[in-house]
Amino acid sequence: DIQMTQSPSSLSASVGDGVTIACRASQTIGHYLNWYQQKLGKAPKLLIYATSTLQSGVPARFSGSGSGTDFTLTINGLQPEDFATYYCQQSYSTPRTFGQGTKVEVK
Amino acid sequence: QVQLVESGGGVLQPGRSLRLSCEVSGFGLSGYAMHWVRQAPGKGLEWVAVISFNGSNIFYGDSVKGRFVISRDNSKNTMYLQMNSLRREDTAVYYCVREVGSWGTFYTRQFDSWGQGTQVTVSS
Repeated sequence: DIQMTQSPSSLSASVGDGVTIACRASQTIGHYLNWYQQKLGKAPKLLIYATSTLQSGVPARFSGSGSGTDFTLTINGLQPEDFATYYCQQSYSTPRTFGQGTKVEVK
Repeated sequence: QVQLVESGGGVLQPGRSLRLSCEVSGFGLSGYAMHWVRQAPGKGLEWVAVISFNGSNIFYGDSVKGRFVISRDNSKNTMYLQMNSLRREDTAVYYCVREVGSWGTFYTRQFDSWGQGTQVTVSS
């Protein structure tokens, strides 16, 4: 199974800040990396797929990059509604493993 | 619009069985691979199982293999998860998830639609 490791596990930031979350796969996964946002008590929501493609309706302040084993999610200009937990996921193979999550909290 | 609605969750004792259902609307179930993903209290997302669009390919996570059975009835637009020999560690919110695949510059696969989740609590 492919292991996904996110860093950091949590971070504190203020509205307007830039934030970067890293995700590393235990083996190469090409471009098969997706990002999800989950707010408390809600189902996860797809943000970015195939490393860097924004899902319809997702604001352009979100971006993704990387390839192979190392990927990043960047939020430029954090907004109040962005405080949430973010998960990376590989869709290269089954099982479709997730990172452990990164909680973005208010500083 | 696309909707996935899980049902069947509840509170039950270890060793018992439960069947979850996921009824979809706004799209034809037969066109998509479907997954179950769970989330234990205060924990991250754990992939549980997948069933291909026609049910011919099925895979399970190691933690549920041999105890859970995923199935689907495309004519009823419904997917199921039969959960047997339940353990305390199966306590979680269970999400029904649609996977889409598409060709752009290259092929992509992602979980684009999620249900609201159904709570399963295993406790004596």
